[in-house]
Amino acid sequence: DAGVTQSPTHLIKTRGQHVTLRCSPISGHKSVSWYQQVLGQGPQFIFQYYEKEERGRGNFPDRFSARQFPNYSSELNVNALLLGDSALYLCASSLRQASYEQYFGPGTRLTVT
Amino acid sequence: QKEVEQNSGPLSVPEGAIASLNCTYSDRGSQSFFWYRQYSGKSPELIMFIYSNGDKEDGRFTAQLNKASQYVSLLIRDSQPSDSATYLCAVRGAQKLVFGQGTRLTINP
Repeated sequence: DAGVTQSPTHLIKTRGQHVTLRCSPISGHKSVSWYQQVLGQGPQFIFQYYEKEERGRGNFPDRFSARQFPNYSSELNVNALLLGDSALYLCASSLRQASYEQYFGPGTRLTVT
Repeated sequence: QKEVEQNSGPLSVPEGAIASLNCTYSDRGSQSFFWYRQYSGKSPELIMFIYSNGDKEDGRFTAQLNKASQYVSLLIRDSQPSDSATYLCAVRGAQKLVFGQGTRLTINP
């Protein structure tokens, strides 16, 4: 079975631009979570979506938004990019909202210049 | 106090020895605990989870949980060079996983 997929793999953007990152969960999984991982730190929670609804939000500014589609795939959008947004963005898939185990995709490496 | 704390290392262990990784957490109500392995430039890979006090073994890996002391540990027996990676401890909170900063482990041949 295919695991979690994310696109693009790498992305370079300029300050002030907008970016959209995409994620497809493991087949049968209905919950998607987004995390930001800055070099040298553990992943930080951004959002969780389940059945197309936001179920959790981390301590990130309103420049960050996301949505989940009927096929359970998800997009993370970041507006007005800052240098500090440079990070590895990880999507994690789980079977249900309350499922404990989360499985990560390969991530999208975002560089803001 | 951070919610989940790990010794950032680096931890250096000779090949064939036991590597011991530790993690403490602040929320006494936490119920679910996870260990992820992350190779340089890659995403985290789930290797162990534990929900009950005591030990849980899976191959060369053993997770240990002590809820009274609020710590969870990961033992890697017969360490191999391929075990060299950063190990992330995660604790399940409301709708999310809370991660420690990770411990970098190096296995020396």
